[in-house]
Amino acid sequence: GQNIDQPTEMTATEGAIVQINCTYQTSGFNGLFWYQQHAGEAPTFLSYNVLDGLEEKGRFSSFLSRSKGYSYLLLKELQMKDSASYLCAVSPFSGGYNKLIFGAGTRLAVHP
Amino acid sequence: GAVVSQHPSWVICKSGTSVKIECRSLDFQATTMFWYRQFPKQSLMLMATSNEGSKATYEQGVEKDKFLINHASLTLSTLTVTSAHPEDSSFYICSASGGDGTNYGYTFGSGTRLTVV
Repeated sequence: GQNIDQPTEMTATEGAIVQINCTYQTSGFNGLFWYQQHAGEAPTFLSYNVLDGLEEKGRFSSFLSRSKGYSYLLLKELQMKDSASYLCAVSPFSGGYNKLIFGAGTRLAVHP
Repeated sequence: GAVVSQHPSWVICKSGTSVKIECRSLDFQATTMFWYRQFPKQSLMLMATSNEGSKATYEQGVEKDKFLINHASLTLSTLTVTSAHPEDSSFYICSASGGDGTNYGYTFGSGTRLTVV
């Protein structure tokens, strides 16, 4: 079966760093996505990892270890507007555009 | 970049009526469209995958006669919720794949908030 786990909720302080973990067990692997979603809005693409290692993009970084079935999203210099849900999603199939399997999402609350 | 327009953004309907939600890819041809449903404080649940010109593939537990999906062109897919009931109230989101690979091939619409009264 397909299974993606991430913490349900996290809290952090403005200006701090937070790491959101995601573990996955899927029948195949063709890449892992991180999305940000504010309440009532559609998900916004943050990052895509298909090879092991760290991808850095401004304040956001994403790490992948395929052998461990593990990824994390690192948010630096947290801002109040970063309060949102963060969704981890895996593409388990190769070839063409195939469905994504989403984790339950991590609700991040940033406090002053 | 790739843009997906979803309409309407919100709709309120009476129980027993049908509602149609449209998803359009504005600047690329969407070979595949995905339809998701999201309940409050929960993640996106895939309902079905549709490819242009062919029947949609529904996920287990999703009633295909209740959630009709049409993908008649490379830029338009529609989801019709038939005989809607209050338990169908949810946030429905489409995602289109294709084009130049922007967003690594998955561009989401803005979502439709459906409330059935």
